[in-house]
Amino acid sequence: AQSVTQLGSHVSVSEGALVLLRCNYSSSVPPYLFWYVQYPNQGLQLLLKYTSAATLVKGINGFEAEFKKSETSFHLTKPSAHMSDAAEYFCAVSPSSNDYKLSFGAGTTVTVRA
Amino acid sequence: KAGVTQTPRYLIKTRGQQVTLSCSPISGHRSVSWYQQTPGQGLQFLFEYFSETQRNKGNFPGRFSGRQFSNSRSEMNVSTLELGDSALYLCASSPGQTGSHSGNTIYFGEGSWLTVV
Repeated sequence: AQSVTQLGSHVSVSEGALVLLRCNYSSSVPPYLFWYVQYPNQGLQLLLKYTSAATLVKGINGFEAEFKKSETSFHLTKPSAHMSDAAEYFCAVSPSSNDYKLSFGAGTTVTVRA
Repeated sequence: KAGVTQTPRYLIKTRGQQVTLSCSPISGHRSVSWYQQTPGQGLQFLFEYFSETQRNKGNFPGRFSGRQFSNSRSEMNVSTLELGDSALYLCASSPGQTGSHSGNTIYFGEGSWLTVV
């Protein structure tokens, strides 16, 4: 079964600093990987997704993620944090393009210090 | 293009009652999925519908059910509510085309907050 593990339930960064959120996946086949963001009292917004077309994926709001098969990782980064990045971030996986069942990580809450 | 719309946004029910939540997917999307989000269990997949057929199901008791209509709108129902059913219920839609890289790009609605008292 597909699964993802997010390392660190809380991350605190200073405004302007690098944001790095870690996600490792377990999959016996090339997975489809996603990052979502959830702002307080809202649903999930898709940041980016990996579909094997390119290992470096650029998303919205300046976020990007790199797929590393050797490390089974799909870490999310943003070079310079903004106060508006304070939210909860979820990594998710589905086993194929034909499978619409996402398995989510536990989430990482990001706080941004002024 | 309108996003995924869920109604109602907030509701309070009493133990033992039933509840029906509604979801209108993005126009043209044929796949609709439902997820439950709780602080303790996180985000868990309930079921997915495509062309009015349940295509995938998570590990939830039979009290949780759903359906999809010919216009792709979906409803989920929870019968005999328990306190533990208090959660944010998220609906998600996707184009649903098989074999397409865009097919399983999944978009979520704002959710329906259910409180069981």
